[in-house]
Amino acid sequence: DAGVIQSPRHEVTEMGQEVTLRCKPISGHNSLFWYRQTMMRGLELLIYFNNNVPIDDSGMPEDRFSAKMPNASFSTLKIQPSEPRDSAVYFCASILRGANTGELFFGEGSRLTVL
Amino acid sequence: SQQGEEDPQALSIQEGENATMNCSYKTSINNLQWYRQNSGRGLVHLILIRSNEREKHSGRLRVTLDTSKKSSSLLITASRAADTASYFCASFPGGSEKLVFGKGTKLTVNP
Repeated sequence: DAGVIQSPRHEVTEMGQEVTLRCKPISGHNSLFWYRQTMMRGLELLIYFNNNVPIDDSGMPEDRFSAKMPNASFSTLKIQPSEPRDSAVYFCASILRGANTGELFFGEGSRLTVL
Repeated sequence: SQQGEEDPQALSIQEGENATMNCSYKTSINNLQWYRQNSGRGLVHLILIRSNEREKHSGRLRVTLDTSKKSSSLLITASRAADTASYFCASFPGGSEKLVFGKGTKLTVNP
């Protein structure tokens, strides 16, 4: 398996623009997480899905952020409109719940810069 | 909110020395995990220790868990320059489904 795949790896955009980040989890995994990483706040959990259903989005900073998982192999995180304070690295991770390890598999991240 | 807090925030050692990183957490856990992050990369799972275990080894890694003190430590023996990375502890607090990470320890191993 190729692992968790995220795109784009880097995105530079201007304030007010819409940003869409994409994630393909590991095939067979049934839970997906979106995290945001900044120097100041560390790794923050934004939202997670079980079996494509959003379970907890309490970490989503505000209504400008939305996430979807239309099927088991694809998820998006959208920011509209983007602001400079949204600049961060966004990680997607997946896990097979019920497996013995409890290990999360991370993508390489999408580095977002909002000017 | 952070469940785990790593200590120290940064650690610089010479190749061949041992590196010890500590993690304290707030609520009960079923297991505690350690992850590694190379600069500009995603996190990679290193080792998991269950709440009924006190110590676990994997290669040059040794992890301990003290549930009475709500703390864990990660020891890397005979460090190498390639061990330079940030190390994070993580847990599912209170049996929740959300994996919560500490802020990490940045380890630099000088050749």
